[in-house]
Amino acid sequence: QSALTQPRSVSGSPGQSVTISCTGTSSDVGYYDYVSWYQQYPGKAPKVMMSNVNKRPSGVPDRFSGSKSGNTASLTISGLQAEDEADYYCCSYVGRYSYVFGTGTKVTVL
Amino acid sequence: QITLKESGPTRVNPTQTLTLTCTFSGFSLSSTRVGVAWIRQPPGEALEWLALIYWDDDKRYSPSLKSRLTVTKDTSKNQVVLTMTNMDPVDTATYYCAHIMVSFGGVEADDAFDIWGQGTMVTVSS
Repeated sequence: QSALTQPRSVSGSPGQSVTISCTGTSSDVGYYDYVSWYQQYPGKAPKVMMSNVNKRPSGVPDRFSGSKSGNTASLTISGLQAEDEADYYCCSYVGRYSYVFGTGTKVTVL
Repeated sequence: QITLKESGPTRVNPTQTLTLTCTFSGFSLSSTRVGVAWIRQPPGEALEWLALIYWDDDKRYSPSLKSRLTVTKDTSKNQVVLTMTNMDPVDTATYYCAHIMVSFGGVEADDAFDIWGQGTMVTVSS
């Protein structure tokens, strides 16, 4: 399966909202509600920020939210903060107990 | 508290076989709906899902690497082992193992890689 498509970068000023898209196909993102999102700082392991499209794990700030429409899932960061500057990856279940990651998005806080 | 840690060689020669071990604690890989995945990340590049082994010993592999990968588990040692044959410089990457609990048998779960190891960097070079 091919990697999910994400914008290479998005940016915003502190306090603003940014949305990261994750585009797949009708066989993965469009078919299953098993889309997750990960935040990764340089040199660190990824951390889960969202599961099952819009379920926020304990400890993740509520300024992070997830959604899905058709073959595209999205992660929105509202009230952007300096600490949100990181790389973000989406991941989708693709059936047959297998998964695929997205191409990754660098979020820059201006 | 769930923890995972990867171990193995930091350098392998081209054409050699890589063997990585994921040693974990805080959960049992014999518990229903539990899995351990391997994910890698070349320097400056994106994450790539490689393989996943489930509580029932079901094993799944990335289609593009399936012929080169084998994943096994030793439940008594709390370990998962990944082998990758015919290593090439393009396989240079940080390799992570991660815990997942999946929806199964009508029971919903997060279906996300919720706990990751710190990763181990592997360089393929002669």
